[in-house]
Amino acid sequence: GESVGLHLPTLSVQEGDNSIINCAYSNSASDYFIWYKQESGKGPQFIIDIRSNMDKRQGQRVTVLLNKTVKHLSLQIAATQPGDSAVYFCAENNAGNMLTFGGGTRLMVKP
Amino acid sequence: DGGITQSPKYLFRKEGQNVTLSCEQNLNHDAMYWYRQDPGQGLRLIYYSQIVNDFQKGDIAEGYSVSREKKESFPLTVTSAQKNPTAFYLCASTNTGQGGVDTQYFGPGTRLTVL
Repeated sequence: GESVGLHLPTLSVQEGDNSIINCAYSNSASDYFIWYKQESGKGPQFIIDIRSNMDKRQGQRVTVLLNKTVKHLSLQIAATQPGDSAVYFCAENNAGNMLTFGGGTRLMVKP
Repeated sequence: DGGITQSPKYLFRKEGQNVTLSCEQNLNHDAMYWYRQDPGQGLRLIYYSQIVNDFQKGDIAEGYSVSREKKESFPLTVTSAQKNPTAFYLCASTNTGQGGVDTQYFGPGTRLTVL
């Protein structure tokens, strides 16, 4: 079946370094992708989204890259801070307004 | 402030009891969703509603029920038929405009524990 997955369950980075979180998707018909950040005990928080007619989109300290050829999505966080420590989910739309979520990657920022 | 609220934040249930989780949004969103999250796992869809007075089963609807009598509200009832209800429950909403699929925004969640 269609699925969204993540390459690494845990990513540990040094404060100030850049972080890259990866996500593979299998539904070639998906045309919308979202990255969420979830802190412990809280609901997921929208970070950034991208539609399939784009290959890059930038926000504040975050960049999402979409490679439709290899069905790969990545989230880049510049100058990672302790407050960035959380679980990050990618999601893709599979039909209409329905989203399929990946299992999540835990980002740990070392001081 | 606009947003999605869920209550209560923590809920304890005895086996055999039904409990209802509240979800309210003032974002004027048409669609609302209920997800279940288990430790270390992603989100699984329980029920969703694209419009008032209409809702559809998601991937894991057994043991749950919903209603959508008002646009702002989408309560979830966890019935005694749900054999493993202990989990973190998340409500979300989104617009369903002509521009295609849009971002789902989430509430803060309700943690349900069965005693």
